[in-house]
Amino acid sequence: QVTLKESGPALVKPTQTLTLTCTFSGFSLTTTGMRVSWIRQPLGKALEWLARIDWDDDKYYSTSLKTRLTISKDTSKNQVVLTMTNMDPVDTATYYCARDSPSLDYWGQGTLVTVSS
Amino acid sequence: EIVLTQSPGTLSLSPGERATLSCRASQSVSSNYLGWYQQKPGQAPRLLIYGASSRATGIPDRFSGSGSGTDFTLTISRLEPEDFAVYYCQQYGTSLRTFGQGTKVEIK
Repeated sequence: QVTLKESGPALVKPTQTLTLTCTFSGFSLTTTGMRVSWIRQPLGKALEWLARIDWDDDKYYSTSLKTRLTISKDTSKNQVVLTMTNMDPVDTATYYCARDSPSLDYWGQGTLVTVSS
Repeated sequence: EIVLTQSPGTLSLSPGERATLSCRASQSVSSNYLGWYQQKPGQAPRLLIYGASSRATGIPDRFSGSGSGTDFTLTISRLEPEDFAVYYCQQYGTSLRTFGQGTKVEIK
């Protein structure tokens, strides 16, 4: 059974760095072809793909956000971590992680992050 | 990166009717690596279709996908009450994934 769950702060201040963790089970990021992507969704708006990390540690970032994003993995813990620097109120959104195999076949429940002073 | 444009923005239909949703890509999607997702309020998206035309596990056969290259379609043959939701297309043919802006299927 594949599950993913996002965790992190619900509230961050402008200019701070956001760190989100995706903890998953039911698959391994050491398996060839496995990947995890991060996606976000502002309230009432469309999905936006952010970043992806592959089984071989290749990493890919959204063109518009790549200067602010870092993705990493800890295969021993079955975790993927996303950091986003210089947070702004427009970054307020629900953040999801999903297994990327390569369609996004399993999703976490999402975590709402609000950026406010 | 590939830009996906979905149309229409909103589709107003009655239960039992047929829904046809379009997704157009700014360039050809490699290997037809195109997925469709359904999202209901307060829920995470759910994969419906992958590879442009293959149904994901547990998806009813009233959902079908078609198309290739730059033009893709999701068809719901007969709308059930639980099908009223927002639908997104997504391409995974390039390293940078992208989503369309969504089509809302609402009750008329």
